[in-house]
Amino acid sequence: DTEVTQTPKHLVMGMTNKKSLKCEQHMGHRAMYWYKQKAKKPPELMFVYSYEKLSINESVPSRFSPECPNSSLLNLHLHALQPEDSALYLCASSQDRSSYNEQFFGPGTRLTVL
Amino acid sequence: AQKVTQAQTEISVVEKEDVTLDCVYETRDTTYYLFWYKQPPSGELVFLIRRNSFDEQNEISGRYSWNFQKSTSSFNFTITASQVVDSAVYFCALSEATNSKLTFGKGITLSVRP
Repeated sequence: DTEVTQTPKHLVMGMTNKKSLKCEQHMGHRAMYWYKQKAKKPPELMFVYSYEKLSINESVPSRFSPECPNSSLLNLHLHALQPEDSALYLCASSQDRSSYNEQFFGPGTRLTVL
Repeated sequence: AQKVTQAQTEISVVEKEDVTLDCVYETRDTTYYLFWYKQPPSGELVFLIRRNSFDEQNEISGRYSWNFQKSTSSFNFTITASQVVDSAVYFCALSEATNSKLTFGKGITLSVRP
């Protein structure tokens, strides 16, 4: 199994809602990532988990809350989002955090905040 | 600080034409890694190639080839006999041995017309 899966594919939420994005990989990778991608822009790193511990938080607002319940799963909890948070949210994984490891990306969740 | 420049923003070609996507990078590290990713309209970033800074050999994979030149800090990507399925956004990316964060260029939108 060489894929990263993400659910849901699309999500529409109001500014007062609480929702979660899910990501799963079964490649035995020990590093997992959340990226945010706006239209016609490159992905921007949000969080990195290494061996299930948060190792990088790129100064992301607290309305985004990541969670890594185990080595295969990564969640992103959303609360009180703003319309400008509408974007494609990509999950990725790699063997570990070493620089030479390629990252494998999921198909993303297209989030719309009304 | 690391930086990746993809000066071309949009390229349009007719099927069967050859096309070269340019990538220029900046880094102070002597050890670094360069990547190309493809992002089709579906949204998922697909890993194409990794090249480390000590390996300047060019690589060919089917219709794809990559030219890495340290002297000009470039890592260009050529698609030979382009096909409609090659239509996508292509990102060049860099990670340094001392900083595992992946830095993306702005991406090149390639449109291949039948």
